[in-house]
Amino acid sequence: GENVEQHPSTLSVQEGDSAVIKCTYSDSASNYFPWYKQELGKRPQLIIDIRSNVGEKKDQRIAVTLNKTAKHFSLHITETQPEDSAVYFCAAIYHTGGFKTIFGAGTRLFVKA
Amino acid sequence: NAGVTQTPKFQVLKTGQSMTLQCAQDMNHEYMSWYRQDPGMGLRLIHYSVGAGITDQGEVPNGYNVSRSTTEDFPLRLLSAAPSQTSVYFCASSPRVTGNTIYFGEGSWLTVV
Repeated sequence: GENVEQHPSTLSVQEGDSAVIKCTYSDSASNYFPWYKQELGKRPQLIIDIRSNVGEKKDQRIAVTLNKTAKHFSLHITETQPEDSAVYFCAAIYHTGGFKTIFGAGTRLFVKA
Repeated sequence: NAGVTQTPKFQVLKTGQSMTLQCAQDMNHEYMSWYRQDPGMGLRLIHYSVGAGITDQGEVPNGYNVSRSTTEDFPLRLLSAAPSQTSVYFCASSPRVTGNTIYFGEGSWLTVV
C-alpha cells in the first residue's frame, strides 16, 4: 500500500554531533523525495529534496541520500545546533490512483546544548 | 503574495455539528491538498485536487468532503463532527502534482467535544 516508514520516532543528540533519519517507501515509481522541518506550533517547511536521478544532495549542514534499489532515503544533519531541534518529516510521491504526497510519521529531534 | 491562507485558526465544535475549513492560495498552484496531523502519526492526507473540478481521496477521507470550483479555493467540510476528528488541519498547495515544493498554510486547530 501507500506507505512511508520513518525511523527513529525520537532522536536525541549532543550539540555538534550528527543526526541521521531514515525513510523507506513502497512505490517504485516514486521519483521525488522531500524533507520538511516543523518547529513547535508552526507549519512544515521544506528544507531539502532529492529526485530519483541523483543519489545524494547537500546543502550546507544537511544532506539527503537516496537508494532507489532498496527504496531507502535518509536525512543527515552534521554539526547539529540547538535550533535544529524540531520534528522532521520525509515524504514520497505515490502515483497509484493519482498523485499523492505521503508523509512519514515524523522524527522529533532534540539537540542538547 | 499571501501564500496559503486557512481559516479559522482555532475552532471548537460539538459532536454532530458541521463546519467548513476554508483554504485559499494566491500562487496559481494547480495542486491542493488537506492533511491532518495527530501526535505520533505525522501528516495524513485527507483529500487532494490536481486542478479545478477534480478531487480525489487520500489516506483518511471518511467524514470529510471537498470541492474545487476555482483554482484558488479548496474548502474542507466536516459533515458531522466526531471527537476522533480533533486534530490540526493543514491545507497545502504546489505548482504541479510532483517534483515541486509543497507550501503549507498555518494550520487550523480543531477540537470536537
